[in-house]
Amino acid sequence: GENVEQHPSTLSVQEGDSAVIKCTYSDSASNYFPWYKQELGKRPQLIIDIRSNVGEKKDQRIAVTLNKTAKHFSLHITETQPEDSAVYFCAVAGGGADGLTFGKGTHLIIQP
Amino acid sequence: DAGVIQSPRHEVTEMGQEVTLRCKPISGHNSLFWYRQTMMRGLELLIYFNNNVPIDDSGMPEDRFSAKMPNASFSTLKIQPSEPRDSAVYFCASSSPRQGKQFFGPGTRLTVL
Repeated sequence: GENVEQHPSTLSVQEGDSAVIKCTYSDSASNYFPWYKQELGKRPQLIIDIRSNVGEKKDQRIAVTLNKTAKHFSLHITETQPEDSAVYFCAVAGGGADGLTFGKGTHLIIQP
Repeated sequence: DAGVIQSPRHEVTEMGQEVTLRCKPISGHNSLFWYRQTMMRGLELLIYFNNNVPIDDSGMPEDRFSAKMPNASFSTLKIQPSEPRDSAVYFCASSSPRQGKQFFGPGTRLTVL
């Protein structure tokens, strides 16, 4: 089955700096790559996603890049703010209707 | 849009008891997913349905777990008998055929004593 590795497990950055979280996957047939943000005690919330026919997607301060050849994708958050502090999960699926395989999560800490 | 609805939000039960978790997907969504979240194992897919039909149940831990979707607006996840290692947060998610984006419910926090 699919195997998703996520790094780092914890990331601490100064407010205003950028944060980058990376994920690799094993199944070359995978074609859907969402990112979720989860605050303590809350549900995972979809923040951005990308499909395999696109190399990069941006939504305000958040961007995702995908390298299908290398089977890795990354989440970039610029101008970080205190409310960005949360656990971020990458996920992979074979298509929109398939179940997601999640990475282990990255605890992002924004230092004031 | 009410979002995905789950009940109960919290469940505390004793080992050996039957537990039933419930989910109502977003109206118009035809795919429904059950996930479990623990500190040790993270977020893992248990089972998912397309158009009320179970497609992949390979993530269901063992025969004590079963899931049904009798109609497009309701699904249940049942654990019988429950064990302490089943303690986790159980999330339900749904997606539409056009978008494919999965939206999660608030989860059910299950504690088995």
